[in-house]
Amino acid sequence: AQTVTQSQPEMSVQEAETVTLSCTYDTSENNYYLFWYKQPPSRQMILVIRQEAYKQQNATENRFSVNFQKAAKSFSLKISDSQLGDTAMYFCAFMKGFNNNDMRFGAGTRLTVKP
Amino acid sequence: EPEVTQTPSHQVTQMGQEVILRCVPISNHLYFYWYRQILGQKVEFLVSFYNNEISEKSEIFDDQFSVERPDGSNFTLKIRSTKLEDSAMYFCASGGESYNEQFFGPGTRLTVL
Repeated sequence: AQTVTQSQPEMSVQEAETVTLSCTYDTSENNYYLFWYKQPPSRQMILVIRQEAYKQQNATENRFSVNFQKAAKSFSLKISDSQLGDTAMYFCAFMKGFNNNDMRFGAGTRLTVKP
Repeated sequence: EPEVTQTPSHQVTQMGQEVILRCVPISNHLYFYWYRQILGQKVEFLVSFYNNEISEKSEIFDDQFSVERPDGSNFTLKIRSTKLEDSAMYFCASGGESYNEQFFGPGTRLTVL
């Protein structure tokens, strides 16, 4: 079974600063995908970034980037130039295999961006 | 941009009643999912559906739950005899075959009184 651990229940950052959210996972699978989802107060689940395990290069999407350490089973999210609209719950998620499969989520990190 | 839709946005029901939560996945997607999120907790996988049958289900998805794709566009989750602990946000998601990504609907907030 796969487990996803987010060890930071809450974090805060000043606007325009950089923050890193941590995520570790446990799996015996060799092929999988990792995701970060953002959940604002509306509770909509919004995909932030995705990483394929077979790719060594870290994924980036504008101000969002990941540090994927496959051997350490670590998948952290870095948010640069934080904006007030980044305030939300952030969930790390794991999907096994090559085909579309169910996702397993971490407990989430509540991020607050302060003006 | 195509999106997953869910109805209703909020459903209030009495304990013991049956509810049906509806989802319209993205039209060319083949994989369909239901997740639930109890308030303040993580998102939990309930069931996946592919090729008109359940492909995987979690321990949460017991005989109280069922899913159906009745007409090729809707994807429903039925909860028979609801319990107080079924109160949660229920998310539908769909995914395509050529890429590993799931698109979530806005969720249905179920409140069981």
